[in-house]
Amino acid sequence: QITLKESGPTLVKPTQTLTLTCTFSGFSLSSSGVAVGWIRQPPGKALEWLALIYWDGDERYRPSLRTRLTVTKDTSTNHVVLTMTNMDPVDTGTYYCVHTTPYCGGGTCSYGVFDMWGQGTMVTVSS
Amino acid sequence: DIQMTQSPSSLSASVGDRVTITCRASRGIKSYLAWYRQKPGKVPEVLIYSASTLQSGVAPRFSGSGSGTDFTLTISSLQPEDVATYYCQNYDSAPYTLGAGTKVEI
Repeated sequence: QITLKESGPTLVKPTQTLTLTCTFSGFSLSSSGVAVGWIRQPPGKALEWLALIYWDGDERYRPSLRTRLTVTKDTSTNHVVLTMTNMDPVDTGTYYCVHTTPYCGGGTCSYGVFDMWGQGTMVTVSS
Repeated sequence: DIQMTQSPSSLSASVGDRVTITCRASRGIKSYLAWYRQKPGKVPEVLIYSASTLQSGVAPRFSGSGSGTDFTLTISSLQPEDVATYYCQNYDSAPYTLGAGTKVEI
């Protein structure tokens, strides 16, 4: 049974750095064919994909936030950490940790179907 | 980046109605299209992947179709528990962009 749970501060001040931790179980991020990502949702708004780290350490980021985001993994403790610098009130929202493996169709496979989600953690950016 | 455009942004229908939501990608994504449902106050969940494959446990009244740039999510007979916001998502390649969502009400 796969589970993911986000943890971190609920309130950060503008210009500060946000660090969120995803603690997962039920799979290993050192096994091929697994990736963990982050998706956020501002209050009352749509979902936004932020970042993904693959089992082999490869990383992908939302281009508009690339300079502010870093995602790392610790396979010994089953943690994935998202760091976002220079926080702004527009970054307020619920941040979700998500799991993906390659999903196949028509003879080809691709990561990116987020089949398991954490409960989400609400982050408010305010002075 | 690939832009995902959903329509309508919201709709209201009656129980038992057939409901259709469309999603258009700004360039071809083959069949790398997923649909998610987010019930009010809940975590999103995947309904469909590969444009038309139902995720395990999803009610068969949900179906998806399309390839390339144009996709459709259909609820064949709307039920009260289908009240939610539905999102399409490209997973052809990162960045994995999502649509703005379609809010479905009874």
